[in-house]
Amino acid sequence: SQKIEQNSEALNIQEGKTATLTCNYTNYSPAYLQWYRQDPGRGPVFLLLIRENEKEKRKERLKVTFDTTLKQSLFHITASQPADSATYLCAGTPSNTGKLIFGQGTTLQVKP
Amino acid sequence: GAVVSQHPSRVICKSGTSVKIECRSLDFQATTMFWYRQFPKQSLMLMATSNEGSKATYEQGVEKDKFLINHASLTLSTLTVTSAHPEDSSFYICSARVITTNEKLFFGSGTQLSVL
Repeated sequence: SQKIEQNSEALNIQEGKTATLTCNYTNYSPAYLQWYRQDPGRGPVFLLLIRENEKEKRKERLKVTFDTTLKQSLFHITASQPADSATYLCAGTPSNTGKLIFGQGTTLQVKP
Repeated sequence: GAVVSQHPSRVICKSGTSVKIECRSLDFQATTMFWYRQFPKQSLMLMATSNEGSKATYEQGVEKDKFLINHASLTLSTLTVTSAHPEDSSFYICSARVITTNEKLFFGSGTQLSVL
């Protein structure tokens, strides 16, 4: 079956460092992948979308890469801050159905 | 960005009762809305796709008679959990797409349902 998997359940880093989160997809080739941020008890908030023909996309301190050979997307937060602490979700649309399926999420904790 | 309003944010009910959750797109029209369920420390699981003016499409394993979805207008979709049981306790989240930004979803703030 088509899957989106985020390998790390939790990631703890020191303030100022770069956080790198991983998203792998299996059994399909998404036209694009998306990254969302979710705070406890809240709905996800869209951060970035990267298409299969884009290797990298940036938005302020955020950077996303898309490697179709490795079937992987990496999500980077540079100069991380305690306010970046949240759960980050990777999402894709299997077979271009229009439905969005999510990975398990990685909970990032940035310590001051 | 587009705003999706979800109500109520929290509901506690007795087993056997029905609960209705509303999802409204405040500043845009949404022909399609999606309902997700999320258990603690787990990811969002798509339950159904709600289409304005037609029947909802349910994901495999989701009981359509238990989770009634109505999308009567371009700005409102409702999810009714019928005859709720403790195992239905979960965080329910709706989302919608803006037609002009077709891929990304805008999410409501979620409804925490607790069935006693």
